[in-house]
Amino acid sequence: SQTIHQWPATLVQPVGSPLSLECTVEGTSNPNLYWYRQAAGRGLQLLFYSVGIGQISSEVPQNLSASRPQDRQFILSSKKLLLSDSGFYLCAWSVKGQISEYFGPGTRLTVT
Amino acid sequence: AQSVAQPEDQVNVAEGNPLTVKCTYSVSGNPYLFWYVQYPNRGLQFLLKYITGDNLVKGSYGFEAEFNKSQTSFHLKKPSALVSDSALYFCAVRVQAGTALIFGKGTTLSVSS
Repeated sequence: SQTIHQWPATLVQPVGSPLSLECTVEGTSNPNLYWYRQAAGRGLQLLFYSVGIGQISSEVPQNLSASRPQDRQFILSSKKLLLSDSGFYLCAWSVKGQISEYFGPGTRLTVT
Repeated sequence: AQSVAQPEDQVNVAEGNPLTVKCTYSVSGNPYLFWYVQYPNRGLQFLLKYITGDNLVKGSYGFEAEFNKSQTSFHLKKPSALVSDSALYFCAVRVQAGTALIFGKGTTLSVSS
């Protein structure tokens, strides 16, 4: 069966520090991968999606970037965090051509 | 612009009573429709989806949803609410396979004992 992992589960970082959040999917190959941010406990915003290695699409301009160095690995990064980057970050995956999307457990990021 | 609306920020029901969480959408074509549930500090859990066919879709934990094409609605329902159903519920649509989900803002369901 397929599983999706995210780490770390929680993170507290000072303003201006770098960020790296990792997401990996097991039990499938060549998935579509997504990063969402949820601010203030509601309202999911799609940040990035990827249909393959090195293929990243950004939905909104922001302080963050994403990379997909391996087929089942999706990384969310920032060079310098802002207070507004605080939130709950969710990774998700889907099988190409299918409509269901499956979410990871999330990472709670607090920028201080 | 394509969008999903959940008109209620919060729904309060007593345990044992029926519940309804509302969702309407504005997208082109015939979208795929979803409901997800989120417990505090957890990821989203899939509840149910509508692809085609019967307008009443049954999902996990006794939930069901009714698709109404003329009203472009996909309301989530449960005949008898449990305190453990208290959570944040998201409605979402996908216009076609391979496109991103469009989420509503979420509705907090509070079930009192």
